[in-house]
Amino acid sequence: SQQGEEDPQALSIQEGENATMNCSYKTSINNLQWYRQNSGRGLVHLILIRSNEREKHSGRLRVTLDTSKKSSSLLITASRAADTASYFCATNSGYSTLTFGKGTMLLVSP
Amino acid sequence: SQTIHQWPATLVQPVGSPLSLECTVEGTSNPNLYWYRQAAGRGLQLLFYSVGIGQISSEVPQNLSASRPQDRQFILSSKKLLLSDSGFYLCAWGQNNEKLFFGSGTQLSVL
Repeated sequence: SQQGEEDPQALSIQEGENATMNCSYKTSINNLQWYRQNSGRGLVHLILIRSNEREKHSGRLRVTLDTSKKSSSLLITASRAADTASYFCATNSGYSTLTFGKGTMLLVSP
Repeated sequence: SQTIHQWPATLVQPVGSPLSLECTVEGTSNPNLYWYRQAAGRGLQLLFYSVGIGQISSEVPQNLSASRPQDRQFILSSKKLLLSDSGFYLCAWGQNNEKLFFGSGTQLSVL
């Protein structure tokens, strides 16, 4: 079943702008992860945030987690054309598998 | 360092033909292994996962099967492909669900 749902489905911005993507989920989690996928390629892990954390940074990435609202957001600051990709959230609810959302397609125009 | 190999990159197969996709991992032992399928513009659907040799869990009833003959080898198979089996297949490995490492994917077109 689909646990995470990203919003928006697609996002188009100009270089230098910030991009914000949201993820909502339904059941309690141990951690939430964000992945990036370039067209026709495999996914690459970006960042993991645990259920007892509220915010995490990695370079130009900022992830927040609100367990009371069962939601997370990924912020990419000062976006670049090379950030163009699909971004997926994935939730770990304590089992052996992750559940991925449908993704947000981000297009950054020069 | 750990690497994951998945092949072939693209595959065009007729309906009713067999399928075998292979995935191997290097640089780690006893990984959890996963097969996902991704329809165009959609999210990832978990097909199979394995926590050890010969141990396969199926998430979705379908026309596919998986095997793990060796610790770092995961094979996705079908005896007779259907049109609906078309998609982008991704192999991944991980440990403790902290982070998954994905292969480069196989684009399968069943015609």
